[in-house]
Amino acid sequence: DAGVIQSPRHEVTEMGQEVTLRCKPISGHNSLFWYRQTMMRGLELLIYFNNNVPIDDSGMPEDRFSAKMPNASFSTLKIQPSEPRDSAVYFCASSSGDIHNSPLHFGNGTRLTVT
Amino acid sequence: AQKITQTQPGMFVQEKEAVTLDCTYDTSDPSYGLFWYKQPSSGEMIFLIYQGSYDQQNATEGRYSLNFQKARKSANLVISASQLGDSAMYFCAMREAMDSNYQLIWGAGTKLIIKP
Repeated sequence: DAGVIQSPRHEVTEMGQEVTLRCKPISGHNSLFWYRQTMMRGLELLIYFNNNVPIDDSGMPEDRFSAKMPNASFSTLKIQPSEPRDSAVYFCASSSGDIHNSPLHFGNGTRLTVT
Repeated sequence: AQKITQTQPGMFVQEKEAVTLDCTYDTSDPSYGLFWYKQPSSGEMIFLIYQGSYDQQNATEGRYSLNFQKARKSANLVISASQLGDSAMYFCAMREAMDSNYQLIWGAGTKLIIKP
């Protein structure tokens, strides 16, 4: 069974450019999470979807960040315009069943570098 | 106050020895779950093991086991017969079953290095 698939694995872009990160959750999983990981802050939850509906986006840093989940098998995280401080590894994760005891399964992450 | 504390920033262990990675947690919720993840240098986050607060027995998954001491609020990860491939960051995390609480609370991690 395929795991969570993220693309691209690496993204290098210039400040001011739009960046779109993509995620395909595990089939049948009804919860999807976007995380950001940096050395300074560790893992930060950006947004959580349940059954394709955004439940909590309070972790989204600014209006420059937006996320969508048009269907159960696809989600995007967009940064427009990007800034150097957005450089981080962005993870998508999915889980199924009882949200409280179901582990999150992570994708391999997208390493974003904004110059 | 920290909800998840991993007191060992780094550990060196000889190959084939057993390893115990510490994790203590703080919660007033009687229902919660504890998770351990491994993050090798390649960057992916790998789920290892889960322990529910009402589970009567310690969780085990292959070479991984969880030493769950509820009264002490500790959930230490034990890796038996360590291998070079076990070198990685290890994160302990907790989720509380409060209403609409879905967030994983993460520890700062322990960097484990297995020496040949």
